[in-house]
Amino acid sequence: SQQGEEDPQALSIQEGENATMNCSYKTSINNLQWYRQNSGRGLVHLILIRSNEREKHSGRLRVTLDTSKKSSSLLITASRAADTASYFCATDATSTGANSKLTFGKGITLSVRP
Amino acid sequence: KAGVTQTPRYLIKTRGQQVTLSCSPISGHRSVSWYQQTPGQGLQFLFEYFSETQRNKGNFPGRFSGRQFSNSRSEMNVSTLELGDSALYLCASSWMGQGEYNSPLHFGNGTRLTVT
Repeated sequence: SQQGEEDPQALSIQEGENATMNCSYKTSINNLQWYRQNSGRGLVHLILIRSNEREKHSGRLRVTLDTSKKSSSLLITASRAADTASYFCATDATSTGANSKLTFGKGITLSVRP
Repeated sequence: KAGVTQTPRYLIKTRGQQVTLSCSPISGHRSVSWYQQTPGQGLQFLFEYFSETQRNKGNFPGRFSGRQFSNSRSEMNVSTLELGDSALYLCASSWMGQGEYNSPLHFGNGTRLTVT
């Protein structure tokens, strides 16, 4: 079953605009991660936020986590055509917290128009 | 450092056959996970190996199996293939010592399996 549910399912924006993607999950988690996938290729890790963190930045990425609402958001600022990809949130909810079994959402398709 | 390498990149098999997929993790990574990706079900966890031991297993039938070797390389095997097994199979490695949490996964580009 899917733990994470992203929304929107698809997002189309103009280059230079900001893109905001949301993820909701159902159970308590150890951490939440965002990954990017270009068509037909493997996933690339973008950012990880631990359950005791509320906000994290990495370059043009900003992720927030609200454990009370069981939700997270990923903001990509000043988007580029190269950001066009599918984005997935993934949660680690194992009792061991070993990050060895992630549950992924179905993904958001982001299209950035030049 | 070389990334995660999966072979073969593409595979076409017939129903009833079996298949073995291979994954070489990033040097020094001891954890290897396998995921199945399909348009309908999305990304689903198959299993994870650490130091040659299966540590976690997803909800897949026994036809799906795996193993890890002493050099951390891993293989997964699917026996008695069904049409529904057609998918992109992704391997991911992680540097993960005992009690080490929050290590991101590094994915290979996957093996695209088509069952006819």
